[in-house]
Amino acid sequence: ETGVTQSPTHLIKTRGQQVTLRCSSQSGHNTVSWYQQALGQGPQFIFQYYREEENGRGNFPPRFSGLQFPNYSSELNVNALELDDSALYLCASSLDRGPGNTIYFGEGSWLTVV
Amino acid sequence: GQQVMQIPQYQHVQEGEDFTTYCNSSTTLSNIQWYKQRPGGHPVFLIQLVKSGEVKKQKRLTFQFGEAKKNSSLHITATQTTDVGTYFCAEDNFNKFYFGSGTKLNVKP
Repeated sequence: ETGVTQSPTHLIKTRGQQVTLRCSSQSGHNTVSWYQQALGQGPQFIFQYYREEENGRGNFPPRFSGLQFPNYSSELNVNALELDDSALYLCASSLDRGPGNTIYFGEGSWLTVV
Repeated sequence: GQQVMQIPQYQHVQEGEDFTTYCNSSTTLSNIQWYKQRPGGHPVFLIQLVKSGEVKKQKRLTFQFGEAKKNSSLHITATQTTDVGTYFCAEDNFNKFYFGSGTKLNVKP
């Protein structure tokens, strides 16, 4: 296993609600990235956190926000949920933020918005 | 970020046949990584290619990076049912990865 743990594994929310997903990075990894993977698609980069600061963001609206804590664990928050937010949300950690660092994915959180 | 295009979208092979998936970019890539995702699972890192023209092998898997660093391929020799899954290439943009749409491989026993 990768040592990256995510919770919850599955959840169902209603349109308009808010959701918080959590991720514990692999020990010693200071960089956490979040990805959204819709069914049949490749993972799409949401944002990355490095030492508690946002370090890059993909093409996602501001209602997608995040946090990284001093122990490098992280949260992804999504407000005003829409049906299209239904997807697998993947957290990935890496030893550092530079190019060439391998990322290790967690098992993901399956979010269904009804 | 950049966008990498991956073909084919699907590939169905008989066990023992070979399989290749291709990844193309309109711009030069700093490096490229390959991942495998089993059905219901999460992407798992396979390999990273950095140098122009680089070729790396992992048992029956052969990875190539083009001379211009704009394309890459993954070739599996003599597929097995354990090879089933979706194979993704991903551009590494300072540790922010932009994934292709993947090639879903189905292997018939």
